[in-house]
Amino acid sequence: DAKTTQPPSMDCAEGRAANLPCNHSTISGNEYVYWYRQIHSQGPQYIIHGLKNNETNEMASLIITEDRKSSTLILPHATLRDTAVYYCIVRVASEYGNKLVFGAGTILRVKS
Amino acid sequence: GAVVSQHPSWVICKSGTSVKIECRSLDFQATTMFWYRQFPKQSLMLMATSNEGSKATYEQGVEKDKFLINHASLTLSTLTVTSAHPEDSSFYICSAGTLRQGRYGYTFGSGTRLTVV
Repeated sequence: DAKTTQPPSMDCAEGRAANLPCNHSTISGNEYVYWYRQIHSQGPQYIIHGLKNNETNEMASLIITEDRKSSTLILPHATLRDTAVYYCIVRVASEYGNKLVFGAGTILRVKS
Repeated sequence: GAVVSQHPSWVICKSGTSVKIECRSLDFQATTMFWYRQFPKQSLMLMATSNEGSKATYEQGVEKDKFLINHASLTLSTLTVTSAHPEDSSFYICSAGTLRQGRYGYTFGSGTRLTVV
């Protein structure tokens, strides 16, 4: 089962920052948080991931709380092309390979 | 960057036939590959984890005799849906894991839309 909960949907105005929250209260100390997004009928696209420090790349920023029980993905200047389903995922360790178990995700609608 | 090619992008087959889907890592070696299934308006559901040269590990509730996975090389994994039925119609997506610059990442293919008629 997925270890994350996200709001089912969010709206954001074009050009504004989109802040997508995620709760992962049962996360273990060595489990990473990954964010992916999926545009209709395509494979998921990697955005960012982190363990406990905040991370930033050319797409987004990831803010992880100090207790690691929640995180926020920030798209600094949302565009219409950022409309997608955003998945917050805790990587689950197993003896056969660490795997990504997807939750329901958040539908982000960027509006002009 | 890491690229995963999945083929075919869509396929229509008759009920009772088998369909093979290929997943290739183009510019890196993937010791572990993953297969997911996604029904309309639902999230991705992990079906199985495959490690190169060994048998795949299936998630609970996934029939291993129906969904045959082969991971014969570090760049190729295949999923064969055997004796397909209309309820197997779905979007199948593969993912390959790799360690790059000290960080482990997962790259997804573009998916295969399977329609069984």
